[in-house]
Parts: sequence; structure tokens; C-alpha cells
Amino acid sequence: QSALTQPPSVSGSPGQSVTISCTGTSSDVGIYDRVSWYQQPPGTAPKLVIYEVTTRPSGVPDRFSGSKSGNTASLTISGLQAEDEADYYCSSYTTSNTWVFGGGTKLTVL
Amino acid sequence: EVQLVESGGGLVQPGGSLRLSCSASGFSFSIFAMHWVRQAPGKGLEYVSTITSLGDSTYYADSVKGRFTISRDNSKNTLDLQMSSLRADDTAVYYCVKGLGGMVVSAIADWGQGTLVTVSS
Repeated sequence: QSALTQPPSVSGSPGQSVTISCTGTSSDVGIYDRVSWYQQPPGTAPKLVIYEVTTRPSGVPDRFSGSKSGNTASLTISGLQAEDEADYYCSSYTTSNTWVFGGGTKLTVL
Repeated sequence: EVQLVESGGGLVQPGGSLRLSCSASGFSFSIFAMHWVRQAPGKGLEYVSTITSLGDSTYYADSVKGRFTISRDNSKNTLDLQMSSLRADDTAVYYCVKGLGGMVVSAIADWGQGTLVTVSS
């Protein structure tokens, strides 16, 4: 199972919005609404911020939102804050009954 | 509060074996699928394995299939990963992760702090 494709890095200024893409195939992102997003600040364990494409777990700010079109899912963070600076990973369920992750995107808040 | 505490990591020689354990608390362990995910130093996340809530189904990434075995003991709230024929590219922090539901399709949700496995001579 090949990793999902994410941009290596994105950046934005405080208050702005950024979008991170996650491109898969018709065997994962394109066929299932089982896409999740994780936030991982340096030196810490990942934290779930979006699951099933659009759902935020309790406690995650509504500045975080998810969407999907075809084989590409996206995470949008609006009203950027310094604390949002982290690595972000997408994942998707696959037709092999396993999960696959993206390569990760480093978000820099300028 | 969900708590997942991994143990068993360490230094092992190529070709060797190691058993990781995860002690779970703060939730009804027996009704949730559990996963192992790893992260090589400075690299991204990599899916390793899943076991369903009752332990009746297991799933593996191609990279570990035939070498790793996932298991659970719902009476002790523990999750294990038996690793054999270890290779240098198995070097990583291994995370124990709780699913959102009981089946493999349930999102990978709550993460432990991880345990480091180093495969080197």
C-alpha cells in the first residue's frame, strides 16, 4: 500500500487560513469516507483532529475542518494561531482492510 | 481519561525478536479495536497492525506481515506486538493506539506516548 501524498510544508500568518491536501487512490481515499487527520507537535504523540472526513472529536476547535473530493481529502485550519504549528498527517482506510498514512506536512506559522 | 502505556522497547540485534506490550486504562478496553503505528526517527507515521475488539480478526501492513503478531488479553486490558526477524528498518517509536470503535474500519484515535525499538548490531 503506497503512502498518501501530502505537500511537505505549508505556511501562513496568524489569522490566515491554510489548507493541506492528501491525495490517495480509488482503493483508499476515493472509495471510503474514512479519512482522518492528526496533529503532531515536535516531540509529542499524534492527536486526532478530524475523522470520517469531516467530524471533529470533542475538544478540537471548529477552526479545523475537513473535506473530500474524489481521491483527494483536505484539512483547512482557519484563524491560524501559533499553537497550530506542528506536523499534520492524513490517513485513510483501504480496500486491503488496513490503514495508510500520508507522508506528513509541516505547518509553519509565520 | 484514556491512558495507554507502552513497554518492552529497547535495543535488539538484526534477526532478533522483541515483544511490546501496552497497558490500557480509563475506558472499556474490550469493546474497542486496537492498533500499532510506528514512526522511524525523523520520519512519518506508518501503519503496522490492527486487532478487532474481540481479538477474532487481525490485520497487518505488508512490511510486517509474517514477522509481527498482534494479540490482546481483554481480561487484563493489555495489547501485545510480538516482533521477530527484526531488521534495521523496523527501528522506530511504536505507538499503541485505541480505535474509535470495535472494528478495523474504526478510526485510529487515542495514542500512547510510544516505546522506542532500535534494531542494530
